[in-house]
Amino acid sequence: RKEVEQDPGPFNVPEGATVAFNCTYSNSASQSFFWYRQDCRKEPKLLMSVYSSGNEDGRFTAQLNRASQYISLLIRDSKLSDSATYLCVVNRRGSYIPTFGRGTSLIVHP
Amino acid sequence: DTEVTQTPKHLVMGMTNKKSLKCEQHMGHRAMYWYKQKAKKPPELMFVYSYEKLSINESVPSRFSPECPNSSLLNLHLHALQPEDSALYLCASSRGGGQGNRAEAFFGQGTRLTVV
Repeated sequence: RKEVEQDPGPFNVPEGATVAFNCTYSNSASQSFFWYRQDCRKEPKLLMSVYSSGNEDGRFTAQLNRASQYISLLIRDSKLSDSATYLCVVNRRGSYIPTFGRGTSLIVHP
Repeated sequence: DTEVTQTPKHLVMGMTNKKSLKCEQHMGHRAMYWYKQKAKKPPELMFVYSYEKLSINESVPSRFSPECPNSSLLNLHLHALQPEDSALYLCASSRGGGQGNRAEAFFGQGTRLTVV
């Protein structure tokens, strides 16, 4: 089983839709969780950290479920500019080294 | 300043060439990384430096040779590469061990390498 698993998609949604991605991780001792966004042929950029209590940044909401070992990203009111690959990243317990999921592709169409 | 700077942005090299990729950060981060990314795949860890010492080598072929001259700089020396080594090479940094275990990593723009 891979350390971090994501559905690669693509998720194809119309503008204005709400879309959610999940990511599961295998190491129950993992401590830190992040969502990164990567545009085609660009570097990954930090979208948001994921905190135990859940957190929100504008249209984006991240949740952590430790019992089921998954994190989620909810995007409300999708924009064309949200089209990108969303990478789930987990730092293993006792380690600062990021481990990447394979990414989920989002395509927002008019 | 959350910037990681990589040079060059693009590089084309022959299989007999020697070249170097450079990475710089001034955030005081003590962990620096090299990742390799192929199209439609996630970044794949190559090397980790912690406090300027190589702490992880993910069984990378010796034709890739990392170097950390100081706490702000990270190089990747390339020699006798193969066409299948063509990829986007990403440098990243984060706070590092201890309290830095929870810290996010910041990425440079990458070097798009083509081996001909």
